[in-house]
Amino acid sequence: LAKTTQPISMDSYEGQEVNITCSHNNIATNDYITWYQQFPSQGPRFIIQGYKTKVTNEVASLFIPADRKSSTLSLPRVSLSDTAVYYCLVFNILTGGGNKLTFGTGTQLKVEL
Amino acid sequence: NAGVTQTPKFRVLKTGQSMTLLCAQDMNHEYMYWYRQDPGMGLRLIHYSVGEGTTAKGEVPDGYNVSRLKKQNFLLGLESAAPSQTSVYFCASSNGETQYFGPGTRLLVL
Repeated sequence: LAKTTQPISMDSYEGQEVNITCSHNNIATNDYITWYQQFPSQGPRFIIQGYKTKVTNEVASLFIPADRKSSTLSLPRVSLSDTAVYYCLVFNILTGGGNKLTFGTGTQLKVEL
Repeated sequence: NAGVTQTPKFRVLKTGQSMTLLCAQDMNHEYMYWYRQDPGMGLRLIHYSVGEGTTAKGEVPDGYNVSRLKKQNFLLGLESAAPSQTSVYFCASSNGETQYFGPGTRLLVL
């Protein structure tokens, strides 16, 4: 079971880049890394997913080192609306996760003016 | 295209009562999941399904039952509600990679 560990909280200011790191020491060969964002009273929303190296989309970048034991979500130039909880999830691509899906407590990001 | 919908949005139960939460998805996804989220906590997997007619236990299955009679629907049942089941319940569906979540059902058991 690839349990994940993230910082409980982070603070930032508008316009700054925020990097949230997730540790997943027991990641398996068929495991992918996905990050979700959750606002209060809403379900989590997909941000980005990757297997190795770097992935970038219109909202974030995901950096995964060669050993894949950690990953870093990078949010460029955050705004107040990025205040949310961010979850790192590691799951088996062959099984859709099965009963190994564990979101953990996530990282509460607070962005201030 | 509504994505994932959940019914009801909010419910109050008395201890011992039963109820069924309905999750529906219109994305033709094979995988569906039920999670619960308690205040200040992450999501915990209750049950999941890898296809029509299949169900399996997740991390916290006790006190819940599920059924997936149709591919687009995943039902979560509480046979005898307990105060410890007060929580927000999220349903999700997946194509095997990305999970898409519903808006949640807030359940209060008195």
